[in-house]
Amino acid sequence: TQLLEQSPQFLSIQEGENLTVYCNSSSVFSSLQWYRQEPGEGPVLLVTVVTGGEVKKLKRLTFQFGDARKDSSLHITAAQPGDTGLYLCAGGGGSGGSNYKLTFGKGTLLTVNP
Amino acid sequence: DTGVSQNPRHKITKRGQNVTFRCDPISEHNRLYWYRQTLGQGPEFLTYFQNEAQLEKSRLLSDRFSAERPKGSFSTLEIQRTEQGDSAMYLCASSPFTGPNTGELFFGEGSRLTVL
Repeated sequence: TQLLEQSPQFLSIQEGENLTVYCNSSSVFSSLQWYRQEPGEGPVLLVTVVTGGEVKKLKRLTFQFGDARKDSSLHITAAQPGDTGLYLCAGGGGSGGSNYKLTFGKGTLLTVNP
Repeated sequence: DTGVSQNPRHKITKRGQNVTFRCDPISEHNRLYWYRQTLGQGPEFLTYFQNEAQLEKSRLLSDRFSAERPKGSFSTLEIQRTEQGDSAMYLCASSPFTGPNTGELFFGEGSRLTVL
């Protein structure tokens, strides 16, 4: 069974602070995706990383895929209240797993207070 | 709006009743997925279609659950004899075929089921 562990589970910070959330697994994934979900809505894709060591930037968000393709991190600089939401990581094509489905972590619930 | 559309958005039913959810994927996407999400959890894979063929079903899907995609376009997920444990958000997603690996999923807004 492939598992993705996300930490922290909850994070409450003030506007302007920086933060990092983590996604770890014992399995190797061929790709890893980060989604953001707001209450009562479906997840929205933020980024996909596929190469070990890859770093992608999306405005104030920086995503990194571990060299061994087992872990990833999401760093937000100068967080804003609009960043509030549930951040989910999801791995595709993991060891022994099907290539066409994603395994999701439980998510990190981020609250950015004004 | 050309995104993934799900309906109904909310369904409240009594235990033992049958419910059906519909998903209209992005028109050019031939892959369609159903996921289930309960409170405090990430989405869990239920089933996957490539065109009209259902290629995988999760062990989470008991015999009371059935999904179809008859013409390779919209899909339905039916739950028979609902139980309180079926209460969850049912998410549909679609993606284009981009090779053997999972592409990026485009999710609908979900159908929230409450079983009383």
